[in-house]
Amino acid sequence: EVQLVESGEGLVQPGGSLRLSCAGSGFIFSSYAMHWVRQPPGKGLEYISSISQSGASTHYADSVKGRFTASRDNSKNTLYLQMVSLTIDDMAIYYCARGRGWYGTDYWGPGTLVTVSS
Amino acid sequence: QSALTQPRSVSGSPGQSVTISCTGTRSDVGGYNYVYWYQHHPGKAPKVIIYDVTERPSGVPDRFSGSKSGNTASLTISGLQAEDEADYHCSSHAGISSPLIFGGGTKLFVL
Repeated sequence: EVQLVESGEGLVQPGGSLRLSCAGSGFIFSSYAMHWVRQPPGKGLEYISSISQSGASTHYADSVKGRFTASRDNSKNTLYLQMVSLTIDDMAIYYCARGRGWYGTDYWGPGTLVTVSS
Repeated sequence: QSALTQPRSVSGSPGQSVTISCTGTRSDVGGYNYVYWYQHHPGKAPKVIIYDVTERPSGVPDRFSGSKSGNTASLTISGLQAEDEADYHCSSHAGISSPLIFGGGTKLFVL
C-alpha cells in the first residue's frame, strides 16, 4: 500500500525557518517525481514545488522561489522542503504528493500544519 | 500563473447529478490533457478521482466522470450520495510556467 506521511509541523515566527519531511513507503520512491502543495486556511490548494526522481530537476512557484528548497534522499525514501524567511502568507497545511509523471499526482499524504505567528 | 476558476459551491439532492466547472486558459486547461480532479474531505489526504481529463483511477465509482471543452474542464457526479459531500479541486499542467496549477476548490453540499 502506497503511503506518504508528512512531518515537521510547527509554529514559527515571521522570518523564521522550518523543514518539512515526507516519508514514502509501499512503492519504489526513487522512481517517482514528487510535489509539494499547500492549502492556506479557508483557501484552495496551491502548488509549491516539484522535484524529479533523482532530485536533479526542481521547479518552484513564484510565491516561494528563492525561499523554499525541495530535496530528497532516495536512500531514506524521504522528501524534504526547507523553508526560510517565512511570512504569514506561508501559513497552511502542507501536503506532499507522488507524481504521476511531472504533470499530475496520484497519492497524497494527510498533510502537516505550518503556523506562522509572532 | 493565475489559479484556475471554480465555483465556490454547488449543491444537489441524493440521487441527482451535479457538474463542477474548472476554467483556465489555452496555456493550461485548453492546451493539455492533464486535468485532474481531487476529492478532499477536510483533515484527510486529497484523493484523485479523475486524471488526464476523463480517466478514473481503480476503485473510483463510475458515478464520477470528467470532460473538457476548450478552456473549461468539468466534473460530473451522478447519483449523488451523502458521502460525496466534500471539497473538489481541479488541477492542470501549465507548460513551462508550472507543472501544476490548481483551482480554488468547490464545496459540494448534498442536501
